[in-house]
Amino acid sequence: QKEVEQDPGPLSVPEGAIVSLNCTYSNSAFQYFMWYRQYSRKGPELLMYTYSSGNKEDGRFTAQVDKSSKYISLFIRDSQPSDSATYLCAMKETSYDKVIFGPGTSLSVIP
Amino acid sequence: NAGVTQTPKFRILKIGQSMTLQCTQDMNHNYMYWYRQDPGMGLKLIYYSVGAGITDKGEVPNGYNVSRSTTEDFPLRLELAAPSQTSVYFCASSSYGTSGALYNEQFFGPGTRLTVL
Repeated sequence: QKEVEQDPGPLSVPEGAIVSLNCTYSNSAFQYFMWYRQYSRKGPELLMYTYSSGNKEDGRFTAQVDKSSKYISLFIRDSQPSDSATYLCAMKETSYDKVIFGPGTSLSVIP
Repeated sequence: NAGVTQTPKFRILKIGQSMTLQCTQDMNHNYMYWYRQDPGMGLKLIYYSVGAGITDKGEVPNGYNVSRSTTEDFPLRLELAAPSQTSVYFCASSSYGTSGALYNEQFFGPGTRLTVL
C-alpha cells in the first residue's frame, strides 16, 4: 500500500461546478496536511495547509481533514478555467519532517 | 526577489554522461531540497540540506550527489547518467525556524526536464 494515494484523474468539469479532490493515507502519525497546485510545466505552489483535523476555508477553496478515516479533501467552489492544473496532496508527521506527496490529480475546467 | 531559480530548463544526456543541475534561491532560506517527478508518481525526495555544509539523503538518492557550500546554492550532480534518471527535477527551499511558525512552506523552482538516451 502506498503511503499517500490519490485518484490521478483526469477530472473534467464544466465552469462553475463544485470540485472535490481527495487523498487517502496510511500513516496515522501525519499531522500536517497540504494541497499544492501545479500548472503545466511549472513548479508546485502551496494552495492550502491544515494542522490536524478539521476544515479550513480560503475564498473558493476548502480543505477538510478526517484523521479517523485517514482521508483529506479539497473542495473548489465555482470552479474557473484558471483552476485547471494538477493538485497534489502532501503531508508530514511533524513540522520538522520531510513532506510526502501524493501522485496528483489532473483537473480541467471547461468554459 | 527571483525566488528559486533552476538551470538548465531542458537537457538531453547520453547514457554515461554526467551533468550538474543548478539551483539558487534568494530568500535566505536555510532548508533546500531536490525532488524528481515522474508521471503518476508524485514528487520523490532525492536529497535535502538543512544549512550550508549539511546534506542528507532522501527517498531516492542513488545515482545523485549534492553539495551545499553556500546558503543560496544547492547543485545536484548526476554521475553516469542512466535512462531511469529521465525525469523532471525540482529544487525547493523553505525557511525553518521562523518564530511561532507551525509550518514551513516549500517554494519550488520551475524545474529541469532531463532526458537520458
